[in-house]
Amino acid sequence: DIHMTQSPSSLSASVADRVTITCRASQSISTYLNWYQQKPGKAPELLIYAASTLRGGVPSRFSGSGSGTDFTLTISSLQPEDFATYYCQQTYSTPRTFGQGTKVEIK
Amino acid sequence: QVQLQQWGAGLLKPSETLSLTCAVYGGSFSGYQWSWIRQPPGKGLEWIGEINHSGSTNYNPSLKRRVTISVDTSKDQFSLKLSSVTAADTAMYYCARGVRGVRSSTAFSYSYYYMDVWGKGTTVTVSS
Repeated sequence: DIHMTQSPSSLSASVADRVTITCRASQSISTYLNWYQQKPGKAPELLIYAASTLRGGVPSRFSGSGSGTDFTLTISSLQPEDFATYYCQQTYSTPRTFGQGTKVEIK
Repeated sequence: QVQLQQWGAGLLKPSETLSLTCAVYGGSFSGYQWSWIRQPPGKGLEWIGEINHSGSTNYNPSLKRRVTISVDTSKDQFSLKLSSVTAADTAMYYCARGVRGVRSSTAFSYSYYYMDVWGKGTTVTVSS
C-alpha cells in the first residue's frame, strides 16, 4: 500500500492568512494526487485533482503543486468558510489511500 | 446535476452482514468508477473498493476477505456488502463517483483519477 502522510495534523490560523498543507507519499505517485475539503457532518468535496488542477467552481485562492512524492495545498487568503478538514488522496494504485487529514481551525 | 442517493441498514449486530446501495441520478452510469469509502467516528477516510459498469472490481486488501461490491446497470445502482461485521466497522459509509481521464495539449499531458460526486453518507453502527 502507498502510505500518505499529511502535515501538520492541525493548525490554527486567522482569516486572510496564507495556509500551506503538505502531503507526502511513501513512493512516487506521479501527479495522481487529489485534495478534498470536509466540513463537519458533510461528505468530502473535491478541490483539486491531478495535483494542481482546480476543480471548476472552486475559488482561485486554493492551489496545489507537486509531483512524485511531495505535494502542497495552499490557501492564499483564508476565508471563514475554509475552516474545515483537508485530505489528500492518491489514486495512482489500489488501495486508493488518503492522508490522515489536516484540521484548519480558527485562531 | 449528478446525485448519488444511498441507503441501507444503520444498526447491525456483530457477525451480521452490512448491506448498502447507492443509486445514480441525473447522469451516465457507464464510463465511471463507483467507489465506497468509510469514516469511523472522529477519524479519517478509508477507501473500501470500487467497481465499474462492467462489474470489474478493486478492493482494499485490508477488507477484501469480507467485501463484495456489485453493480446493477439496469437500475444505475451499485451495492456494498461487508460480512462478519464488528464494532470496528462502525462508521459513516459514503458512495462516490470516480472520474478517470487524460488531459493533454502541445505543452503537457497528464492522467487523472478523482472522486467528484459523493453521497450524503449512511451511518452504520455495530453493537450487540
